[in-house]
Amino acid sequence: ELKVEQNPLFLSMQEGKNYTIYCNYSTTSDRLYWYRQDPGKSLESLFVLLSNGAVKQEGRLMASLDTKARLSTLHITAAVHDLSATYFCAVLYNNNDMRFGAGTRLTVKP
Amino acid sequence: GAVVSQHPSWVICKSGTSVKIECRSLDFQATTMFWYRQFPKQSLMLMATSNEGSKATYEQGVEKDKFLINHASLTLSTLTVTSAHPEDSSFYICSATDMTNTGELFFGEGSRLTVL
Repeated sequence: ELKVEQNPLFLSMQEGKNYTIYCNYSTTSDRLYWYRQDPGKSLESLFVLLSNGAVKQEGRLMASLDTKARLSTLHITAAVHDLSATYFCAVLYNNNDMRFGAGTRLTVKP
Repeated sequence: GAVVSQHPSWVICKSGTSVKIECRSLDFQATTMFWYRQFPKQSLMLMATSNEGSKATYEQGVEKDKFLINHASLTLSTLTVTSAHPEDSSFYICSATDMTNTGELFFGEGSRLTVL
């Protein structure tokens, strides 16, 4: 059974702090994605990770992929309030089957 | 980047009526489109995958006669919720890919359906 497990589900942190969101998946995957969703809005693409050891960074967010461990991480550095949102990882199987994690609702407090 | 346009953004309808949602890829040919449903405070649930010119593949538990999907061209897929009921109220999101090596998946803005 295809499973994508994301943790934590809820995260409250203060501005300036660092934290990591984890995404484990159960089956060999073609690609792994990270998305951001603001309330009432659709998904905004953050990163696409294609290969083992891939690391991508954009601003205060950095994503990495370990295909052997079937694990991806989204690291937040020096969080700011604007990063408050729900973050989803998603895994693509067989080029046409996309499965999402449950999402991590992040709240960054001043 | 590539743009996927979804229409309407929100719709309110009476129980028993049908609602059509359109998903268009504006600047690329979408060989595959995906339809998702998202209930409040939950993740996205894949409903079906559609490839241009062929029948959609529905996920287990999704009624194909209730959620009609048509992918008649490389730039347009439609989802019709037939005989909608209040429990069908949800946020419906489409996404599209041109299956290039980047693997990028582009999402529409979403359509919020409320069935009275």
